[in-house]
Amino acid sequence: EIVLTQSPATLSLSPGERATLSCRASQSVSSYLAWYQQKPGQAPRLLIYDASNRATGIPARFSGSGSGTDFTLTISNLEPEDFALYYCQQRSNWPPTFGGGTKVEIK
Amino acid sequence: QVQLVQSGAEVKKPGASVKVSCKASGYTFTSYGINWVRQAPGQGLEWMGWISVYIGNANYAQKYQGRVTMTTDTSTSTAYMELRSLTSDDTAVYYCARGVGSPPRFDYWGQGTLVTVSS
Repeated sequence: EIVLTQSPATLSLSPGERATLSCRASQSVSSYLAWYQQKPGQAPRLLIYDASNRATGIPARFSGSGSGTDFTLTISNLEPEDFALYYCQQRSNWPPTFGGGTKVEIK
Repeated sequence: QVQLVQSGAEVKKPGASVKVSCKASGYTFTSYGINWVRQAPGQGLEWMGWISVYIGNANYAQKYQGRVTMTTDTSTSTAYMELRSLTSDDTAVYYCARGVGSPPRFDYWGQGTLVTVSS
């Protein structure tokens, strides 16, 4: 199965700063990569699908890029509600797999 | 609006089975698959399997084959996940999620069901 490695594990930033999260796949997943946000006690929420498409209702400060094995989620101008856990997920091959997550915390 | 509402928390003894339900609304139930994803305490997300609601066939992660059964009831727009022979390692929050594509991305999620396995 495809292994997704997210880095860094934790990102400490202040509101208003830019967050750059990385997801690397063990083999090419083309553009079949999604990003999710999860807050404590809540279910994950789809942010980005197929590498760069924002899901319904997701603010424009969230953007995704990349293809093949290297992907980036960028959150420009962090809002207080953006401090959370973020997971990437590939849907190129069965089974779908998730990365280990990046926690964006308030500095 | 699309909603997936799951059944409540469960406490089970080792060796028992648990059956979690997921009631869908706000869309045509048979048009999308339902996936099950679990999250152990403090851990990441793990896909367990999915069921094609339209066809009725299921595809399970190798780790769970022989121990999990996913079903649907189209008359009530409800999906079910039964996990048998529970151990403490099965203590987790279990999510249902609507799938888009094959393999899927997960565009809507249930609120999660905590299953605790303890003697």
